[in-house]
Amino acid sequence: DVKVTQSSRYLVKRTGEKVFLECVQDMDHENMFWYRQDPGLGLRLIYFSYDVKMKEKGDIPEGYSVSREKKERFSLILESASTNQTSMYLCASSDRDSGTGEQYFGPGTRLTVT
Amino acid sequence: AQKVTQAQTEISVVEKEDVTLDCVYETRDTTYYLFWYKQPPSGELVFLIRRNSFDEQNEISGRYSWNFQKSTSSFNFTITASQVVDSAVYFCALSEADRDDKIIFGKGTRLHILP
Repeated sequence: DVKVTQSSRYLVKRTGEKVFLECVQDMDHENMFWYRQDPGLGLRLIYFSYDVKMKEKGDIPEGYSVSREKKERFSLILESASTNQTSMYLCASSDRDSGTGEQYFGPGTRLTVT
Repeated sequence: AQKVTQAQTEISVVEKEDVTLDCVYETRDTTYYLFWYKQPPSGELVFLIRRNSFDEQNEISGRYSWNFQKSTSSFNFTITASQVVDSAVYFCALSEADRDDKIIFGKGTRLHILP
């Protein structure tokens, strides 16, 4: 079974803090994704990565950066957390060779910025 | 432009009733994939089904069934004899095989099954 894990289920941070959200997948997938989920807005793509050290902006990259130093790990970084970044963050991975785009999701991190 | 519309934001039904979740999509590609994911209260999105654009056969899996109609660009999901455990947010999604591996999600339908 594909396993995507995220470092924390719940996180509370203060405004201005630097925040790291970690995601690890164990299926050797090339593609990894970070989404945020907000009520009424569905899932919005923040960043994605096709391979190690490669990244592309999604629909809402402002205020975020990412790092992919190893194939299995994709980190989302909030350089200076703000209250409007309070949200549920979901990580996903997919096998580029499958050709279907099917994504496997982690359990999510609910981040609160106070 | 690619787009997935789930017009029903929230639905409540009484247990054992049948319920259909609507999904309408837009794409210019001839080759694409459609998905349904379930997000229970625990938060993790769980894959339910994938359909490619060349396969319009309806699919049934236990109490779940899917109706794919290219003529109306719809991929609807029906739960028969609903159960409380079906309560979740359901997302319909689209990926275009000729483009990249991104998935476009609908905004989701929150389904409440009342005991």
